[in-house]
Formats: sequence, C-alpha cells, structure tokens
Amino acid sequence: QKEVEQNSGPLSVPEGAIASLNCTYSDRGSQSFFWYRQYSGKSPELIMFIYSNGDKEDGRFTAQLNKASQYVSLLIRDSQPSDSATYLCAVNPGNQFYFGTGTSLTVIP
Amino acid sequence: DAGITQSPRHKVTETGTPVTLRCHQTENHRYMYWYRQDPGHGLRLIHYSYGVKDTDKGEVSDGYSVSRSKTEDFLLTLESATSSQTSVYFCAISESRQIRDTQYFGPGTRLTVL
Repeated sequence: QKEVEQNSGPLSVPEGAIASLNCTYSDRGSQSFFWYRQYSGKSPELIMFIYSNGDKEDGRFTAQLNKASQYVSLLIRDSQPSDSATYLCAVNPGNQFYFGTGTSLTVIP
Repeated sequence: DAGITQSPRHKVTETGTPVTLRCHQTENHRYMYWYRQDPGHGLRLIHYSYGVKDTDKGEVSDGYSVSRSKTEDFLLTLESATSSQTSVYFCAISESRQIRDTQYFGPGTRLTVL
C-alpha cells in the first residue's frame, strides 16, 4: 500500500469552474500536509500546507483536511488555463515527506 | 526556486560511467535532499543531509552516494550509472526536519543513461 494515493487523472474542467483534487494517506499519525504544483518540465512549487482539520483558504485555493478519514483535498475556484499542471500531494508523518504520483489538471478555455 | 541551483540541468551518459550532480543553495538551510521523479512513482527520496558531512539514506539509495563538504553544496554521485537511473533528479532544502517545515525544490536535472 502506497503512503499517499492520488487519482492520476487527467482531470479536465472548464475555465471558471471549481477543480477538486483529492489525496488519501495511510499513516494515521501524519500531521502535516502539503500541496505542490508542477508545470510540465518544471520543479514542484509549494501552493499550500495544512496541519489542522478543516479548511484553509489562500486566494483561489482551499485545502481541506479530514484526519479521521485520512484524506486531504485541494479546491481551486475560478479555474484558469494557467492552473493547468500536475498537483502533488505530500504528507509528513514525522520523519520524511511522502509524495503522491500527482493529478494532472487541464483547464479548458 | 528559493535560491537553489542544480548542475548540470541535462546530462546524457553511458552505462557504467560515473556521474556527479550538484546542488547549490544560498538560503543557508541545514537540510538538503535528493529525490528522483519517475512516471508512476512520484518523488522518491534518495539521500538527505542534516549538516556538513552528516548524511543518511532514503528509500531508494542503492547505487547512489552523496557528500556535503559545505553547507551550501550537496553532491549526488552515481558511481556506475545504469539505465534504471535515467530519471529527473530534484534537490530540495528545508530549514529543519520539524513536522511542519516545508521543502523547497531546485529546478531539476534530467539524466539519461544510454
């Protein structure tokens, strides 16, 4: 069983819609969760991190964490073509980061 | 890229040759990491360093060695490159390994082993 699971996609949404990306993790002791965006041929860049159950909002991005169900999600409101990228979920159970394989998002103009 | 550079950015080499990748940071962060990224596997940790001359293995360390003689430089060496080491290699840094600390990535090195 992988530490972090993501639907690889591709996920396609029309411009202006809400994109919803999901991630589940296996280590119930995990306490910190990160979302990275990776454009094709580029390196991962941090979008958000979340530590507590509930929602955390930053501009058009909202991270949601549910530790009881062991999932974390990322919502992108008013999706733009520039949001087209692969989104990586990372989980830190305390000793190192574990990354999912990423979900590919395409925003259609 | 948070003051992180990697060199070379692209390299093509032949099986059996030694290869060294360099990561240089200007952030004075204590921790440095080497990851490889392959389709279907995501980012996997190769080695990491928690200070000058202090290193430890990650989950995919076989066939790789590292060295850190200065805070700002972390070298990854493939002693005898194999085709299975064809990958994109990313260096990352963090201030600490505390549960809430964040890792920032360099631009990556694309390595092809023929």
